[in-house]
Amino acid sequence: EAGVAQSPRYKIIEKRQSVAFWCNPISGHATLYWYQQILGQGPKLLIQFQNNGVVDDSQLPKDRFSAERLKGVDSTLKIQPAKLEDSAVYLCASSLDWLVLLRGQETQYFGPGTRLLVL
Amino acid sequence: GQSLEQPSEVTAVEGAIVQINCTYQTSGFYGLSWYQQHDGGAPTFLSYNGLDGLEETGRFSSFLSRSDSYGYLLLQELQMKDSASYFCAVRGPRKDSNYQLIWGAGTKLIIKP
Repeated sequence: EAGVAQSPRYKIIEKRQSVAFWCNPISGHATLYWYQQILGQGPKLLIQFQNNGVVDDSQLPKDRFSAERLKGVDSTLKIQPAKLEDSAVYLCASSLDWLVLLRGQETQYFGPGTRLLVL
Repeated sequence: GQSLEQPSEVTAVEGAIVQINCTYQTSGFYGLSWYQQHDGGAPTFLSYNGLDGLEETGRFSSFLSRSDSYGYLLLQELQMKDSASYFCAVRGPRKDSNYQLIWGAGTKLIIKP
């Protein structure tokens, strides 16, 4: 079974530039997550999709971050314009079905992440 | 609010046993999960406790006490490849976190030969 795919693996940009990340979840996984992980910290949820709908985007800085999952499969996360503090690893994760597993174990499968450095 | 506390760093010797503790504060609770993350790698799921008690998976065990809002991850027969960061994560209530997984800051496990 193929895992969660992400690209690019690394990106260096200057502040005020734009950047986009792509994620392809495990086939059949209805739930997709984008996390931001700053060095030395745990992952912070940015947005969660259930199929092509947004479940939670309360921690997404909507003035500069946007995400979509138009066909309920792969997803893109965009930052425009980038700030220095956006330097982090952006992790995409997927799980079978968040609603079904809400009160039980929900294993999230993570992609390798995209390391973003904003100069 | 929701918060999790775990030690920032733990050091142990190869072949030994180490315990990584996690205490949490949430107004609701739907299970405690543990993830492992090697430097430069992605988090990978290790174990889950929905009820009190011990869950064992090979060399790894995880314990939960809901009355104490406390859990731990126990690693036995430590190997050098176990050097990684270990995160506890708790699913919070709908009111405060929309059932989202709330992550601790991670414990860096350093294993010495």
